[in-house]
Amino acid sequence: NAGVMQNPRHLVRRRGQEARLRCSPVKGHSHVYWYRQLPEEGLKFMVYLQKENIIDESGMPKERFSAEFPKEGPSILRIQQVVRGDSAAYFCASSPPVYSGNTIYFGEGSWLTVV
Amino acid sequence: DQQVKQNSPSLSVQEGRISILNCDYTNSMFDYFLWYKKYPAEGPTFLISISSIKDKNEDGRFTVFLNKSAKHLSLHIVPSQPGDSAVYFCAASNSGNTPLVFGKGTRLSVIA
Repeated sequence: NAGVMQNPRHLVRRRGQEARLRCSPVKGHSHVYWYRQLPEEGLKFMVYLQKENIIDESGMPKERFSAEFPKEGPSILRIQQVVRGDSAAYFCASSPPVYSGNTIYFGEGSWLTVV
Repeated sequence: DQQVKQNSPSLSVQEGRISILNCDYTNSMFDYFLWYKKYPAEGPTFLISISSIKDKNEDGRFTVFLNKSAKHLSLHIVPSQPGDSAVYFCAASNSGNTPLVFGKGTRLSVIA
């Protein structure tokens, strides 16, 4: 993995609590992507952000989920009022602003468990 | 609607033999294809890619083949090693900053 930092690595929340997952992209990368992997499933796209802009959020659930990538600081994926079905691995990826192809580089992931 | 399909959830291969992982796609707009490798409890790691202007790309033991007319790509690993045991994801996109679409993955087990 090319330096994408995610924290926390593991997070346990009770139903109804909020979960905040943070992602610092590779230095110099201005594009951030969030993917979710449910148990025994592939990687599902959630949202694509550039600094201060949401470019594509077509994969985000309509309620309780939000994402931001502020001018300063990490990207945040926020899940409000978590339910058991939110338990999954959440992967952040980043890519540089100008590139050929579309290679993105993933972090180690944040594993959310809702009890 | 699954645009990228990996129809084999698992594959077992003997050490030293060839591993062939397959991937099919339905979106004819896809023009860039990638393979990622994932170990348990880790993030996916980029392995190899190919653009639609090519039909083959090779990197060491890894070769990706693209058949545009069949909308099919495959990853060949030869010779396979026990350390190659992982889940392999196929991904695709069309040009530009469009999000990658991933298949469900194939779990490769290389048996010593």
